[in-house]
Amino acid sequence: ETGVTQSPTHLIKTRGQQVTLRCSSQSGHNTVSWYQQALGQGPQFIFQYYREEENGRGNFPPRFSGLQFPNYSSELNVNALELDDSALYLCASSPGAYNSPLHFGNGTRLTVT
Amino acid sequence: EDKVVQSPLSLVVHEGDTVTLNCSYEVTNFRSLLWYKQEKKAPTFLFMLTSSGIEKKSGRLSSILDKKELFSILNITATQTGDSAVYLCAGAMDSSYKLIFGSGTRLLVRP
Repeated sequence: ETGVTQSPTHLIKTRGQQVTLRCSSQSGHNTVSWYQQALGQGPQFIFQYYREEENGRGNFPPRFSGLQFPNYSSELNVNALELDDSALYLCASSPGAYNSPLHFGNGTRLTVT
Repeated sequence: EDKVVQSPLSLVVHEGDTVTLNCSYEVTNFRSLLWYKQEKKAPTFLFMLTSSGIEKKSGRLSSILDKKELFSILNITATQTGDSAVYLCAGAMDSSYKLIFGSGTRLLVRP
């Protein structure tokens, strides 16, 4: 069984640039969620996708956007990067039942300079 | 506002010690409480607790939920250096995949 995989593992961008992070969900999982984890903090919910539709969003501005594809993989796009966007971005997948725990990928470490 | 608070923030113990990590929560339409272990990057799932008073156990780790006091604890007995990690507690809301995480407890187990 393949787990959740994310790419790239590390990324350095300049303030104002745009970035795309990618996630392949675990086999059989149709729900993907994205979280932002700042240093020393717990992960914060960005949004989730179910069958290619966004169906939940946290307190993040519209410059954070996403997509889910028919194979359930997903992208997180961040426009107009700010220094505070520097964080570990975690993708998590779930088999589609609310009582199933999320399974996380290793994350993408984004540094904005 | 939904929130999850963990204590202590950090803990240093010696191998063989027993530790108790605390988690209090205020989560709208609460469904379950989850514990994760985060060593380097990916949080790995430990427990999901839905019912009050029923202890879940996995090896040296155990956890229990008190839905009246809005509280959960994670116990680790006979700690090993491999238990060193950040332990995250999260509240799950009904009819949602959104998890509300605490800031974590950083545990360091010294040989």
